[in-house]
Formats: sequence, C-alpha cells, structure tokens
Amino acid sequence: DAKTTQPNSMESNEEEPVHLPCNHSTISGTDYIHWYRQLPSQGPEYVIHGLTSNVNNRMASLAIAEDRKSSTLILHRATLRDAAVYYCILRDFSSASKIIFGSGTRLSIRP
Amino acid sequence: NAGVTQTPKFRVLKTGQSMTLLCAQDMNHEYMYWYRQDPGMGLRLIHYSVGEGTTAKGEVPDGYNVSRLKKQNFLLGLESAAPSQTSVYFCASSIRPNTEAFFGQGTRLTVV
Repeated sequence: DAKTTQPNSMESNEEEPVHLPCNHSTISGTDYIHWYRQLPSQGPEYVIHGLTSNVNNRMASLAIAEDRKSSTLILHRATLRDAAVYYCILRDFSSASKIIFGSGTRLSIRP
Repeated sequence: NAGVTQTPKFRVLKTGQSMTLLCAQDMNHEYMYWYRQDPGMGLRLIHYSVGEGTTAKGEVPDGYNVSRLKKQNFLLGLESAAPSQTSVYFCASSIRPNTEAFFGQGTRLTVV
C-alpha cells in the first residue's frame, strides 16, 4: 500500500496562510489524495480530496504536484480553531481497505 | 441528521470481560469502518465492511470481531478484553471507498 510522509509538527500565526506538505512518492494512478483533521478529543473530519487537479472548498485548498508524488494542503487564513492534527491519506477507488492513517502533522496556531 | 453515532461513549471493562460497541449511520452509506487510536498516535484500521452482510480485516484485527447484519449498523465485539485493547475507538462510514468519510465521536474504552 502506498504510504504518506508528513512533518510531525508545524506552527503558524493566526490570520496567516498555512502550507501543510505531504509526500506520497509511491502513489498509484487510482489513489485519491484525502486530507482529514482531528481536533482535540474529537473524531477526524474531512477537509478536502483530489486526484490530479488542484481543488478548492470553503475550508482549504489542495495543491497536487504534476507528478502526484506530493501535495500541499493550504489553509488561507489560519484561526485558533484550525489547531489540530492533519492527516494526508491515500484512498484507492477500488479497495476499501486502503484507508490507512499515518501519524499526521500537529498544527499549532500562535495568537 | 445524526450522521455517525457511537454507543457507548465511555466504558471500563475488567480483563476477560466481553462487550459490543455499536456504530449507527443514517446516511445510507455502503462502507463502514472501525478504527482504534492509542495515545499520541494515528488511527489504525481494525475491520471494515463494504455492504450489508460483509466484513473484512484491516491492519489490526486480532482480538476483535465484527458484524454488519443491517446496512445502518456496524458492531465491534471484544470477546475477552485485554489491557492492550485500552484505546479510543472510532467508527466511520462513506458512500464509496474514495469519497468523504464521516466519523463518530469515539468510544473511550479502558480495560483494567
């Protein structure tokens, strides 16, 4: 199964953009790139996902490298509520078992 | 719309006792998943189901059994609880394998 690599932790200032990187050098052609986040004492929540093209939604943007071996989750204007563990996950269209969480990136936001 | 509901939210078991965790979803999702999360770690997949009447093993299935008798419910059973099964358990569901997954709020289980 393809795996992802993320930095253990990152810090950012409130109201500034945040770029969270993810490497997935062994990604397959059918893997979708998903991002979830987990706030303290809560279950994970979906943030965004994409296959090849960059994606935007109300929460964030996802920038996918042309070779798809890396991606970046962009929070355009961080708030204190964005402090969480962010997980980059590869999900295969055909195999339900390939929903494997790594250790994620713990994002801290400075007021 | 309740989404994914897990019961109970907290439970303390003695070693060797059995229990069942219930996950219920009201979104008519085909796929359901059980994860465990140990302190300071990411989620690990225990078992999953791709539809009513089906189950399959994930990364860490030993010591657990599951059943999906009804589409909306996914049960996780511990036949003989061990201290190593102390963890927070999360259930999730999705329409298809590559779509957004919705998670429950978790069940905190302590085995003493």
